Amino acid sequence: GAGVSQSPSNKVTEKGKDVELRCDPISGHTALYWYRQRLGQGLEFLIYFQGNSAPDKSGLPSDRFSAERTGESVSTLTIQRTQQEDSAVYLCASSLGAYFGYTFGSGTRLTVV
Amino acid sequence: DAKTTQPNSMESNEEEPVHLPCNHSTISGTDYIHWYRQLPSQGPEYVIHGLTSNVNNRMASLAIAEDRKSSTLILHRATLRDAAVYYCIFPTGNQFYFGTGTSLTVIP
Repeated sequence: GAGVSQSPSNKVTEKGKDVELRCDPISGHTALYWYRQRLGQGLEFLIYFQGNSAPDKSGLPSDRFSAERTGESVSTLTIQRTQQEDSAVYLCASSLGAYFGYTFGSGTRLTVV
Repeated sequence: DAKTTQPNSMESNEEEPVHLPCNHSTISGTDYIHWYRQLPSQGPEYVIHGLTSNVNNRMASLAIAEDRKSSTLILHRATLRDAAVYYCIFPTGNQFYFGTGTSLTVIP
């Protein structure tokens, strides 16, 4: 596609439920990133995928968070047993590689009630 | 973390130039300096990046200090659509560290 697509755009979930967020990167972009942005704050790195290499999971805040990517296509970020502090905008970005510019999606706004 | 230092906020009058400063004293010799901006309710948008010499594109200019420890993003004529949070970043490991950036207000 022409840009990075994320779905859903908004998600309201009850505390304790699992959620799955989806990211469709730009075709041909080998690198894919997930960031989290809490209200009024900067972006917090979560995870990085590069081609078929093992992902860099160093930013995942707890074992309730996991992400997968099939080859160089779609990625899903899963949050298990959601907590209120998980409420944030989750942003996905893709690029041609770690030292190239990113293209971000519009994000998924997650609200845990 | 690869840290940058930016003012929390700046104001500019419409149609005047804006100079957004950034300090990045820990940058290595091979790291590119990137600038992104984030409009309300949107994901960040790439603006410009450079290594040593000054860079220009249709959106902005980037002036990089000779010692590379600071840089300035220049918007030549601010418009109301330029009101956003501007992030100055450089890669650390596999990712960019985004701080809280500079919130630019453009006054009509």
